[in-house]
Amino acid sequence: DAGVTQSPTHLIKTRGQQVTLRCSPKSGHDTVSWYQQALGQGPQFIFQYYEEEERQRGNFPDRFSGHQFPNYSSELNVNALLLGDSALYLCASSLDMGRGEKLFFGSGTQLSVL
Amino acid sequence: QQQVKQSPQSLIVQKGGIPIINCAYENTAFDYFPWYQQFPGKGPALLIAIRPDVSEKKEGRFTISFNKSAKQFSLHIMDSQPGDSATYFCAARRPPAQAAGNKLTFGGGTRVLVKP
Repeated sequence: DAGVTQSPTHLIKTRGQQVTLRCSPKSGHDTVSWYQQALGQGPQFIFQYYEEEERQRGNFPDRFSGHQFPNYSSELNVNALLLGDSALYLCASSLDMGRGEKLFFGSGTQLSVL
Repeated sequence: QQQVKQSPQSLIVQKGGIPIINCAYENTAFDYFPWYQQFPGKGPALLIAIRPDVSEKKEGRFTISFNKSAKQFSLHIMDSQPGDSATYFCAARRPPAQAAGNKLTFGGGTRVLVKP
């Protein structure tokens, strides 16, 4: 049973560029959440997708957008990259918008913005 | 209202010792409190979780103590081993039915080093 898979594992971009990160949830899960984890800090909630719609959003600017596909996989897009966007981006999957409680994380995509 | 404060930032213990990590929260609407373990280069992995109607929960060598009146909870790692060396995060969540529910609010993390 595959867990949460994310791609790519590492990415280097320059300021002003755009980036797309991808996530496949754990088998049987229908809800995908994205978190940003800066170095030495706890993960910060970006947004959550369920039934192909954004259901909750954290305190992140509109440069951060996402999408969920019919097979429950998800993408995170960040436009106009800033140096401060450098972080580990984590995808987490759960069942039924988190009512199943257990949240499973992928290994993340390490984004470096130069 | 959404903050979860975690202490200490780092902890060093000898093998067999009991690292204790503490968390405090403000929002009494939180109803679910998980602990996550994270190794370098990996995502957080769920260790153990508790609801506020329970004062203690044990799973293997990991124990959560919960003090609802003080709005505090802690993780104890019994008989710690070098393989337990990792960063530990506490978190809290509001009920899914509430506005701003479903998302986890994390503490800042505690780096635990267990020396052989």
